Amino acid sequence: EPEVTQTPSHQVTQMGQEVILRCVPISNHLYFYWYRQILGQKVEFLVSFYNNEISEKSEIFDDQFSVERPDGSNFTLKIRSTKLEDSAMYFCASSADRNNEQFFGPGTRLTVL
Amino acid sequence: GIQVEQSPPDLILQEGANSTLRCNFSDSVNNLQWFHQNPWGQLINLFYIPSGTKQNGRLSATTVATERYSLLYISSSQTTDSGVYFCAVEWKSSASKIIFGSGTRLSIRP
Repeated sequence: EPEVTQTPSHQVTQMGQEVILRCVPISNHLYFYWYRQILGQKVEFLVSFYNNEISEKSEIFDDQFSVERPDGSNFTLKIRSTKLEDSAMYFCASSADRNNEQFFGPGTRLTVL
Repeated sequence: GIQVEQSPPDLILQEGANSTLRCNFSDSVNNLQWFHQNPWGQLINLFYIPSGTKQNGRLSATTVATERYSLLYISSSQTTDSGVYFCAVEWKSSASKIIFGSGTRLSIRP
């Protein structure tokens, strides 16, 4: 069964460093998403992406964040200068179309020291 | 504001018991999903259920869209059912993201 994959599973970085989180969505899906979950809290929407551009983004997704689909398979989230409060689990998701079921990857746990 | 509310927040049961988890939402939705977050943090898709009833083994779900609620039923609970159960909705007014509730933390005691 096709699934969303994410790498790395755990990333530790120093405050102020740039990180890139990688995702490979399900191959025939057209919509891609990033969510995050701070420890002990609920999952929060960050950004949705379709046809090589951002469809919608939340207030959390400020200028420090960017997304890219550099090739036909990868979907990346870049945090330019990490802060302590960026420590969270980051989930990538994909769906075949709008209003369709979203499938989540296993997440990348980001720890900012 | 637009909200997704889950109840109860915490539930502790003995193995073998049945449970009902509730999700109330405050606006019209395009879709609704139930997830199980396991102890390793992974979000497991349980149901995609914008309306109607579905069953998968010991789990079933019902969404009554006109009354803005969904129920997740777990029968004959097992210790592996422990974890957090999230309801997530996609609003008709903003159909490019899903909004999660705060979850129900289920603990099944052997």
